Amino acid sequence: DADVTQTPRNRITKTGKRIMLECSQTKGHDRMYWYRQDPGLGLRLIYYSFDVKDINKGEISDGYSVSRQAQAKFSLSLESAIPNQTALYFCATSDRTGGNNEQFFGPGTRLTVL
Amino acid sequence: GEDVEQSLFLSVREGDSSVINCTYTDSSSTYLYWYKQEPGAGLQLLTYIFSNMDMKQDQRLTVLLNKKDKHLSLRIADTQTGDSAIYFCALGGSYIPTFGRGTSLIVHP
Repeated sequence: DADVTQTPRNRITKTGKRIMLECSQTKGHDRMYWYRQDPGLGLRLIYYSFDVKDINKGEISDGYSVSRQAQAKFSLSLESAIPNQTALYFCATSDRTGGNNEQFFGPGTRLTVL
Repeated sequence: GEDVEQSLFLSVREGDSSVINCTYTDSSSTYLYWYKQEPGAGLQLLTYIFSNMDMKQDQRLTVLLNKKDKHLSLRIADTQTGDSAIYFCALGGSYIPTFGRGTSLIVHP
């Protein structure tokens, strides 16, 4: 079973719609992250959370919001989707007690905004 | 902030060695990583090196760190078609790593 799961895996939506992407993990990690990946731009951090009550903006948080419902769940919302939010979205986790701070990634959600 | 640079593409012939390069600006990172992203999948840690090391070898993989030139490289010996993927250099320590843009390695027969 996958340790970090994302739902949905693919989503096509229209401009102006509200979208929620969900991430769950069974690794018991306290730190969770949301990234987006665009061709040629690599990974950019949207939001991160080091604990259930901790939420922090990343470098491209505008147009996005997050919720850390439990240690194992971290969801990303697009309140009003726009076409330039079309991208591949990754959730990741890490363990603050882990020696090398390795990040564990989910399989990604491909979002298309028409 | 940290700036991590990689070339976007590398094409090699099957059986040859591949060398993927990465340069960075901030030398305070404790760990330097190489992540691999296979088609349709998320990133997965391939290997990493401590900042106080110069080299790390793991089977077909060799990581070289030149701290003076702020240069990190990943060498893959005897490259196979299964090595075709995007390789990300990343720098980090106790906080959030900074990723490069990724190098697409294309392996052709």
